[in-house]
Amino acid sequence: EDQVTQSPEALRLQEGESSSLNCSYTVSGLRGLFWYRQDPGKGPEFLFTLYSAGEEKEKERLKATLTKKESFLHITAPKPEDSATYLCAVQAGGSSNTGKLIFGQGTTLQVKP
Amino acid sequence: GAGVSQSPSNKVTEKGKDVELRCDPISGHTALYWYRQSLGQGLEFLIYFQGNSAPDKSGLPSDRFSAERTGGSVSTLTIQRTQQEDSAVYLCASSLAQRGEQFFGPGTRLTVL
Repeated sequence: EDQVTQSPEALRLQEGESSSLNCSYTVSGLRGLFWYRQDPGKGPEFLFTLYSAGEEKEKERLKATLTKKESFLHITAPKPEDSATYLCAVQAGGSSNTGKLIFGQGTTLQVKP
Repeated sequence: GAGVSQSPSNKVTEKGKDVELRCDPISGHTALYWYRQSLGQGLEFLIYFQGNSAPDKSGLPSDRFSAERTGGSVSTLTIQRTQQEDSAVYLCASSLAQRGEQFFGPGTRLTVL
């Protein structure tokens, strides 16, 4: 069964304190791994797509990496505005798969000034 | 351009009533997805539309749930005889193709009393 597990569930950081969020997955043929940011009361906002092990992508203070079993979202010198819930999702491969995303439970990040 | 829009943003209904939720995808996006986000649960897939292909309904939790997509654009999710366990945020997403980043709308928060 395709599954995504994120850890930790919650993370509190001081402004400027770098850290990493983990996303472990099992999927029958990975088509893509996606990271989203979700603010309270809003829909998920797309951040990154990773397709193959070894791939890395960066955007401002965020950097996403991918291995065959997990992905990390590294946050460098975070600011209070980075506070949000970060969601990881996988898309399984195969011609019968319709592209639906399988989500983890998310990591809620709080960055204190 | 405009993102995915959903209406209403909030819906309060009484148990047993029917509700309709609407989604306007990004113009030109051929794939459309519905997800549900319940308190304490991750996002779960409900249904998928792609062009003129038969929809993937594998995520619909019961036969009280149905959806249609007219003219390859607007989609409506209908829940008949609502139950309290249907209370959740219903999110719509669209993508340019089956294999691609999904962009989410703001969601409709459904409360069943």
